[in-house]
Amino acid sequence: DTEVTQTPKHLVMGMTNKKSLKCEQHMGHRAMYWYKQKAKKPPELMFVYSYEKLSINESVPSRFSPECPNSSLLNLHLHALQPEDSALYLCASSQDWPTTSADTQYFGPGTRLTVL
Amino acid sequence: AQKITQTQPGMFVQEKEAVTLDCTYDTSDPSYGLFWYKQPSSGEMIFLIYQGSYDQQNATEGRYSLNFQKARKSANLVISASQLGDSAMYFCAMKLMYSGGGADGLTFGKGTHLIIQP
Repeated sequence: DTEVTQTPKHLVMGMTNKKSLKCEQHMGHRAMYWYKQKAKKPPELMFVYSYEKLSINESVPSRFSPECPNSSLLNLHLHALQPEDSALYLCASSQDWPTTSADTQYFGPGTRLTVL
Repeated sequence: AQKITQTQPGMFVQEKEAVTLDCTYDTSDPSYGLFWYKQPSSGEMIFLIYQGSYDQQNATEGRYSLNFQKARKSANLVISASQLGDSAMYFCAMKLMYSGGGADGLTFGKGTHLIIQP
């Protein structure tokens, strides 16, 4: 089973709101990722968690705050977003093998975020 | 830094024909992996096929095969006997592989929008 779930599917929020995106996987993967995808563009990496520790932050503004409560869950807390933050937010997970290997990333269906 | 180039923004193909989607990459690192993903209009990124830089054989997965030409730094996706359900955006992606492991993000090309016509 290569399923990654994300909630909500759609989210509309105002610039002063606080909301959270949730991602869950039950494949025993130890790495989880957040990507941002603008319309007609490829996904761009935001954060990587490896063994529940933040290992990569691609200079993302602090209004995006990731959290990994356990190895199966990944949250993205949103606060004071701007309209240009409207995008598809994709979560992914992978095994995070200790040796050289494919370490294929499996993606969830995404959350379509609109900031008004 | 690695770079992925997909030169076909859009392609129209007749149903049941084979289609080749182009992908070239650039890296000075000898250890890397190349991936193809399909993204329908619903948004989910679906993993299709993987090729490692040290793999001797071209990867195949059902109707998908990867034409890997290391010297040319190309990793084209071939879809045999195309179906209407193959209409989607296709992304080529790359990740460096470190002997010590460690998760890292994918670098994506700009994608090719494939439309299968009946």
